[in-house]
Amino acid sequence: KQEVTQIPAALSVPEGENLVLNCSFTDSAIYNLQWFRQDPGKGLTSLLLIQSSQREQTSGRLNASLDKSSGRSTLYIAASQPGDSATYLCAVGREYGNKLVFGAGTILRVKS
Amino acid sequence: DTGVSQDPRHKITKRGQNVTFRCDPISEHNRLYWYRQTLGQGPEFLTYFQNEAQLEKSRLLSDRFSAERPKGSFSTLEIQRTEQGDSAMYLCASSESGARGYTFGSGTRLTVV
Repeated sequence: KQEVTQIPAALSVPEGENLVLNCSFTDSAIYNLQWFRQDPGKGLTSLLLIQSSQREQTSGRLNASLDKSSGRSTLYIAASQPGDSATYLCAVGREYGNKLVFGAGTILRVKS
Repeated sequence: DTGVSQDPRHKITKRGQNVTFRCDPISEHNRLYWYRQTLGQGPEFLTYFQNEAQLEKSRLLSDRFSAERPKGSFSTLEIQRTEQGDSAMYLCASSESGARGYTFGSGTRLTVV
């Protein structure tokens, strides 16, 4: 059974810091991995999608890497801003078009 | 295209009542998923459809829960005889066969009192 763990559970940083969120998964036979952002009481917003054959994806200040063999992914946020404050969720897809298994998320607070 | 729409956004119901939620996916997406999220946890898979066929159901989906997707368009999730433990955010997502990732709706927050 696939299990996804995210570390740290919560993180508080001053504005402008670069930071790294970690995600690990127990079964390396994944199809893809997706990072989401969730604001309080809201739905999920997709940030980055990495296919199993890829090593990383970038969008603006965000960079996500994937090491399938070790079962790890990181989300790097450069020059953090207060607007980045949210919960960040990592999810892995086992098969083509199949369900996602989520971690519990990292709650990020960026202080101004 | 306005993304994945869910209705209602919030629902408060008394224990024992039936509730129904609706999800309208992105029109060209043939896969539709339901997830449930409780406070402090990541979403948990409930069920998914490819077109009108329900292909997988989680063990979380007890016999009080039923989901449909008639004609392969919108989907409904019904909970019968609600219990306080059903209080959660119910999220709908859709994807296309090209596996370009999943798009989530804003969710329906259910509170059972």
